[in-house]
Amino acid sequence: QVQLVQSGTEVKRPGASVKVSCKASGYSFIGYYIHWVRQAPGQGLEWMGQINPNSGGTNYAQKFQGRVTMTRDTSISTAYLDLSSLTSDDTAVYYCTRRSARPSISGYYFDLWGRGTLVTVSS
Amino acid sequence: DIVMTQSQLSLPVTPGEPASISCRSSQSLLDRNGDNYLDWYLQKPGQSPQLLIYLGSYRASGVPDRFSGSGSGTDFTLKISRVEAEDVGVYYCMQGLQVPLTFGGGTKVEIK
Repeated sequence: QVQLVQSGTEVKRPGASVKVSCKASGYSFIGYYIHWVRQAPGQGLEWMGQINPNSGGTNYAQKFQGRVTMTRDTSISTAYLDLSSLTSDDTAVYYCTRRSARPSISGYYFDLWGRGTLVTVSS
Repeated sequence: DIVMTQSQLSLPVTPGEPASISCRSSQSLLDRNGDNYLDWYLQKPGQSPQLLIYLGSYRASGVPDRFSGSGSGTDFTLKISRVEAEDVGVYYCMQGLQVPLTFGGGTKVEIK
């Protein structure tokens, strides 16, 4: 079954870090970039960045530069999102989703999404 | 960064009637190969977003043909020919031309 399975709910204190995982199955993990998109309560979708599972290369949204790290473990087809120095503004559902590497390759859209991981930052 | 604007925050619809959602980008999404890098996603209540339309007008697999996408350059429209109750949710446009990928603010479709 083609799916992305994310880790469970997290509750963190301000200033802490969180690591969210996204395990891919049913398709070639290295064949698609993994993107991370977050959604604050009652708000819209916000792109955080992407990782190329083949090379490990990343692109991050400027807003998160210095606080975000995206990594992957190809041996277990899993991508990770690390976000540090958490504040209450980081309370959100974090989604992983896949997309092909570039427009010339079939699958250049977000056709598969994880169910989301709720991260709550509260003192 | 490319700014995506959905001017309709909310769209009350009547089942069986058509509906139209607009999206505008701050710069052209038309690439030299003639493709518009514009996707449409629907997020139903309590669910992850789902792909409806890609490259401006191509329906994703399994999407009912009552959904259609049109437009080019900076102005795009998602149309639902006959709204059904299951179509309620928030519709987002997103540009895939360049990173950072950016979403519109969303249009919430609800039944009158």
